Amino acid sequence: AQSVSQHNHHVILSEAASLELGCNYSYGGTVNLFWYVQYPGQHLQLLLKYFSGDPLVKGIKGFEAEFIKSKFSFNLRKPSVQWSDTAEYFCAVKGYSGAGSYQLTFGKGTKLSVIP
Amino acid sequence: GAVVSQHPSRVICKSGTSVKIECRSLDFQATTMFWYRQFPKKSLMLMATSNEGSKATYEQGVEKDKFLINHASLTLSTLTVTSAHPEDSSFYICSAVQGASDYEQYFGPGTRLTVT
Repeated sequence: AQSVSQHNHHVILSEAASLELGCNYSYGGTVNLFWYVQYPGQHLQLLLKYFSGDPLVKGIKGFEAEFIKSKFSFNLRKPSVQWSDTAEYFCAVKGYSGAGSYQLTFGKGTKLSVIP
Repeated sequence: GAVVSQHPSRVICKSGTSVKIECRSLDFQATTMFWYRQFPKKSLMLMATSNEGSKATYEQGVEKDKFLINHASLTLSTLTVTSAHPEDSSFYICSAVQGASDYEQYFGPGTRLTVT
């Protein structure tokens, strides 16, 4: 079975601070990795995804994530956060579930609060 | 981009009644749709996977007779919570996959169910 661990439940930053949200997964096979964002009152949106190739993935709104296979990690980063980045961020892993389907497993989410 | 809608966005029902939630892919055909349940301060929990024209595959611990899923067309899946109880109160989210090889899930805005 696959699992996803997000290290921080709630992160509070001032505007212009740098952001790094940790994500580790456990799964022995090939994985696809995702970061989703959920702004207050809105639905989940895809920030970025990694399937293969360059382990440094760039997404929307200045976010990027680095896949480090040896560490089973896929941390999300942004050099300078804005108040509008206040949201909940979910890391997700997609691997073969053994039941004939590819299941997406989510971490518990990290709430980011950016103070103006 | 791919858009998924859910209806209703909020519903309040009395204990013992049934509630139907619709999930539609608006601009694409969804071969597979997923139903999740999101608990406060917790991750999304996959409830079931539904493929058009076939029976849904439920995750372990999810009562298939309580959470009826129908995927009658390539653009519509419904989740019916039968004989709802207060503990069924939650945020229900659907997602859809476009085509057989698309690994990205597009999420609906969710439905807040409150059972009184």
